Amino acid sequence: AQTVTQSQPEMSVQEAETVTLSCTYDTSESDYYLFWYKQPPSRQMILVIRQEAYKQQNATENRFSVNFQKAAKSFSLKISDSQLGDAAMYFCAYSSGNQFYFGTGTSLTVIP
Amino acid sequence: SQTIHQWPATLVQPVGSPLSLECTVEGTSNPNLYWYRQAAGRGLQLLFYSVGIGQISSEVPQNLSASRPQDRQFILSSKKLLLSDSGFYLCAWSRGSRTEAFFGQGTRLTVV
Repeated sequence: AQTVTQSQPEMSVQEAETVTLSCTYDTSESDYYLFWYKQPPSRQMILVIRQEAYKQQNATENRFSVNFQKAAKSFSLKISDSQLGDAAMYFCAYSSGNQFYFGTGTSLTVIP
Repeated sequence: SQTIHQWPATLVQPVGSPLSLECTVEGTSNPNLYWYRQAAGRGLQLLFYSVGIGQISSEVPQNLSASRPQDRQFILSSKKLLLSDSGFYLCAWSRGSRTEAFFGQGTRLTVV
């Protein structure tokens, strides 16, 4: 079975600074997709960014970018110029076929 | 546009009672449908997914079951709830493999 590991249960960052959240995954598939989701206190899951495994270029979405290392099976999220609204639980997710698997999450605190 | 509805938002049930959580999707056809459970301080555990009417795949053996009586309706059930069934349940849909999942608002279930 595929697994997704987030080794940082909690992280904190000063407002306006940069923070990187780590994620590793295990798979024998060659074609898959990776995602980062944000879950604020409302608990609504919000897609932050997605990465196709066949693309070598790292995805970016405004202040959010990823560092995708396919050989190492690593998929980290970098948040630049952190804002108070970025405070949330962040989940890394893996998708292949019809299944979605999520990591255990990283709780991000933004310090004013 | 596509929307996903999940209800109820909160539920308190005694041990041994039955459970029925419902999820419906609007604005799309033949979606992949998912049920996840999020225990306190933990990630999202995939419980069931469905790629079509009557097609249910179970990820974790337990006293829960799922059904898909209609194309855009997904139901999570239990005949007898256990204390360990408490948690936050999320329904999600996707257009198929290799696309992001969209989530409902979730149901907070407390078994007492």
